[in-house]
Amino acid sequence: KAGVTQTPRYLIKTRGQQVTLSCSPISGHRSVSWYQQTPGQGLQFLFEYFSETQRNKGNFPGRFSGRQFSNSRSEMNVSTLELGDSALYLCASSFPTGGSSYEQYFGPGTRLTVT
Amino acid sequence: GESVGLHLPTLSVQEGDNSIINCAYSNSASDYFIWYKQESGKGPQFIIDIRSNMDKRQGQRVTVLLNKTVKHLSLQIAATQPGDSAVYFCAETQLVNLIFGKGTKLSVKP
Repeated sequence: KAGVTQTPRYLIKTRGQQVTLSCSPISGHRSVSWYQQTPGQGLQFLFEYFSETQRNKGNFPGRFSGRQFSNSRSEMNVSTLELGDSALYLCASSFPTGGSSYEQYFGPGTRLTVT
Repeated sequence: GESVGLHLPTLSVQEGDNSIINCAYSNSASDYFIWYKQESGKGPQFIIDIRSNMDKRQGQRVTVLLNKTVKHLSLQIAATQPGDSAVYFCAETQLVNLIFGKGTKLSVKP
């Protein structure tokens, strides 16, 4: 079974631009979560989508948005890029294993550099 | 606010020794905990998990201990190998969104 794929792997943008990142979950997984990883803040939860609906949202400004398509593929968008948005953006697909337990599988991430 | 943190940012061990990575959490309502390993250039990889109704869980060369009284998690790696060199994160969850600690970098000396 193929793992989580993210495209592109690397991206360089300038301040004020916008960017769209893509994530394809593992086949059969309906939940997709996005995380931002920086040296200073570590891994922070952005949002989670399930069956095309945003189910959970982290504490990020409205410039960060996402969506999920009927095939479970997800995109996240960052508008009006700031230098501080430079980070590794990770996507994870999940399936429930009982109770509140989920097995999450991460993709390799998209390294975004804002100049 | 609620957070998950790690006691030590770096840990250096000799190959073949056992490693212990510690983690403190503050949300007593969290009922599921996971340890992840992240190698350079890769996303986090699931190692082992434990539910709050358990004290200990063993995997292949890894053991996770949960002490709910002091809100402490530990990951024990037996016979540490060079391939274990990575950053290790603990995470707590109540729903799908994981709250991660800052990470501990494990370096294995040959």
